Amino acid sequence: DTGVSQNPRHKITKRGQNVTFRCDPISEHNRLYWYRQTLGQGPEFLTYFQNEAQLEKSRLLSDRFSAERPKGSFSTLEIQRTEQGDSAMYLCASSSGHTLHFGNGTRLTVT
Amino acid sequence: EDQVTQSPEALRLQEGESSSLNCSYTVSGLRGLFWYRQDPGKGPEFLFTLYSAGEEKEKERLKATLTKKESFLHITAPKPEDSATYLCAVQADSSASKIIFGSGTRLSIRP
Repeated sequence: DTGVSQNPRHKITKRGQNVTFRCDPISEHNRLYWYRQTLGQGPEFLTYFQNEAQLEKSRLLSDRFSAERPKGSFSTLEIQRTEQGDSAMYLCASSSGHTLHFGNGTRLTVT
Repeated sequence: EDQVTQSPEALRLQEGESSSLNCSYTVSGLRGLFWYRQDPGKGPEFLFTLYSAGEEKEKERLKATLTKKESFLHITAPKPEDSATYLCAVQADSSASKIIFGSGTRLSIRP
């Protein structure tokens, strides 16, 4: 299966700790997106990369969040000093055009 | 501000009972409208892209249509395996990289 891969699938952390998630996109896709989804809501845009360049970042994204995509391949999303409100599903998607292909997400629980 | 509103929030149908889901949007120039299906614990799965008013797309029991202000996802003679959350999303000319999602419609089909 050459779909979008996200690791870990689940992460439980204590408030104040830092966490990092990884996304491996479909290999030929140059665009990569991070979204956050809470229960009963649709995915909320966080940030977008074209190759290694981070071209757009949501105004809702606090400075505790940072994302990288070195060499335009895999991407990491780091959350520093986690808060209970950060508990959500973090989704990664990749595309070569308009169609987004999503991974199955990383579910973060902050206790 | 670009916005997507889906209705109803939840819909319960009997197997074979046809219905429609609504997606209303407000964007400053529509580049594309997308429908996705999401099963519990998984990432959204792409269904359709519509680009201009009057366009229709079909796949098995699903048909998507588009007007200048809204899109409908028609479900004909649904089966229990069609139970899922259906998400609508738009890509606007004002932000070609960002795709904005609605909150989704949770569809449940009873056998």
